Amino acid sequence: DQQVKQNSPSLSVQEGRISILNCDYTNSMFDYFLWYKKYPAEGPTFLISISSIKDKNEDGRFTVFLNKSAKHLSLHIVPSQPGDSAVYFCAATYNNNDMRFGAGTRLTVKP
Amino acid sequence: DADVTQTPRNRITKTGKRIMLECSQTKGHDRMYWYRQDPGLGLRLIYYSFDVKDINKGEISDGYSVSRQAQAKFSLSLESAIPNQTALYFCATSPTGGLGYTFGSGTRLTVV
Repeated sequence: DQQVKQNSPSLSVQEGRISILNCDYTNSMFDYFLWYKKYPAEGPTFLISISSIKDKNEDGRFTVFLNKSAKHLSLHIVPSQPGDSAVYFCAATYNNNDMRFGAGTRLTVKP
Repeated sequence: DADVTQTPRNRITKTGKRIMLECSQTKGHDRMYWYRQDPGLGLRLIYYSFDVKDINKGEISDGYSVSRQAQAKFSLSLESAIPNQTALYFCATSPTGGLGYTFGSGTRLTVV
């Protein structure tokens, strides 16, 4: 039972444009959401997070939006750069317990 | 040196063999985790440990066991490896009360 879902396995965008990665979850108890970025032959690295009491968190080119009523979050990257090409994992946790991850979305940013 | 070190990086083993994957960390974190990554399924939790005396099963613990030898060491064992355990395995750590996971670089395991 996957509680965190990323329904788009891949996304391709042009350099300079916006990348939007989507994530849905089923467990309403989740109170913290995170995005991780993974390059080949490396482990995932933390990118940005958001608490369930907020609806937006911004860090430079990266913004995460949370819609609790729809159980949906999204990661916006503006402007996209070729170095952003990686697999992005959405993750969620509640009460600081173990974290559940989505299947990942492979982002390709074309020069 | 990496904060979270996994050994080996790659391993090919035969069906039925026992194999151990090791993880050590220099972060000083109390919490450690083992995940496996499969195409289309993302990262799934196998086992986790919140301190040396604490071991918990994750989503997919069948066929695996773990040992927390010290705060810095958490090993994953496959008692009798089978082909569907072929995957990329990640160890991760986090501080108590903190949410940021630090991952190792992964162990690619192939069971033939």
